[in-house]
Formats: sequence, structure tokens, C-alpha cells
Amino acid sequence: AQSVAQPEDQVNVAEGNPLTVKCTYSVSGNPYLFWYVQYPNRGLQFLLKYITGDNLVKGSYGFEAEFNKSQTSFHLKKPSALVSDSALYFCAVRGGASMDSSYKLIFGSGTRLLVRP
Amino acid sequence: GAVVSQHPSWVICKSGTSVKIECRSLDFQATTMFWYRQFPKQSLMLMATSNEGSKATYEQGVEKDKFLINHASLTLSTLTVTSAHPEDSSFYICSARGRVGGNYEQYFGPGTRLTVT
Repeated sequence: AQSVAQPEDQVNVAEGNPLTVKCTYSVSGNPYLFWYVQYPNRGLQFLLKYITGDNLVKGSYGFEAEFNKSQTSFHLKKPSALVSDSALYFCAVRGGASMDSSYKLIFGSGTRLLVRP
Repeated sequence: GAVVSQHPSWVICKSGTSVKIECRSLDFQATTMFWYRQFPKQSLMLMATSNEGSKATYEQGVEKDKFLINHASLTLSTLTVTSAHPEDSSFYICSARGRVGGNYEQYFGPGTRLTVT
């Protein structure tokens, strides 16, 4: 069964400092991995995804994530945090096309990022 | 980018009544649509997957007769919460998957907040 774990309920960081939001996954075969951001009372906004290729994926708003197969991780990072980055972040996984034709995304529990001025 | 809309954005209804939520893909054809619900400060839980013209596939524990899903066209899916009760109060988010710019992608709607009194 596919699963995603986000071990931190909340991450606090000062503006201008680097941030990391952790995500580990469990899936059969090659995973498709995603990061989404959610602002209060809003839907999800896509940040980035990993399907294949370079382990370092660059996405929207200066975010990037590194796929680490040996550690089954896909941590979200940003070199310099902004107060406006404060939001709820979700990691999601889907089995590769050959493994999962339903295209269902399984979401982690979410991590609240708080960037203080 | 591709846009998915939901209507209404919020709704209040009395216990025992039914509520219909619409999900539309505005500039692409959605071969598959997904319905999620999200409780406060929790993750998204997949309720069902629907393909245009066929019956929805419900996740385990989701009542088919209570949450009626209709995917009548390639741009519209509806979720009807029948005989709503206060415990059905939640944030409902739809997602549409279709071909955009040559690639199949999944996009999320802004969500509908349902409050049952």
C-alpha cells in the first residue's frame, strides 16, 4: 500500500533563513511525488513534482525538493523563507503509470510552516 | 494554467437536506475527477474517483448512497451530499485530471466549505 509521512506538524523558521519540510514515502515501484501548498480556506496549489530524471526538482515560488531513493524521502526546501510562505504544505505520492492506473494521490498529514518576521 | 472551479465556495444547510457541489474544468477536458474531504487541520481524504460516463469508484468507508457523484461530461462533476448531518460539515475539494499542454496533469479546485446546522 502507498503511504506518505510528514513527521512534523509544524515548522518554524525566521524570514531569510533556509527552510526544510520533510516527507518520506512508501510505494511499490517508482514513485511519482508531489508537493502542494494550501492557504487558509483555499484549495491546493501545485508546487512541484518528481517523476524521473534529476533528483533535485525546482518548482514554483523558489521551492525545490530532493528525491532520495535510498532514504525514500522527498524533502521540500527553500534557501530563503518569506513570511508569505506561511501556509500548510502537503506531500503526496502516486504509483508510477505502470503500477497505478487510477492516478489517485495519497496525501501526507500536512505540515504547517510558520515564517516569523 | 488550467483552472478548476467549484460552486458554491461555501454553503450552509439544515440537517436532513441535500446539497449539490459542482466541479468544473474550465479550459480542459477532465477524463477523471476526484473528490476529497478535509477536516479542520487534517489532510485530504480521497472519497471517490469518477471517470466521465461511468460510475464513480468509492474509497472504503465512504457511503455511496450518501455521497452521490455524477460525472456527466468531460468538464463537469457533481457531488451531492444527501440527507446531510452536522458530521458531514467539512471542506470538500475536487480535482480534475486531463491533458493540458500535451501532458496529463491533475489540478485542484478551490474547495467548498459545507456547514450543516
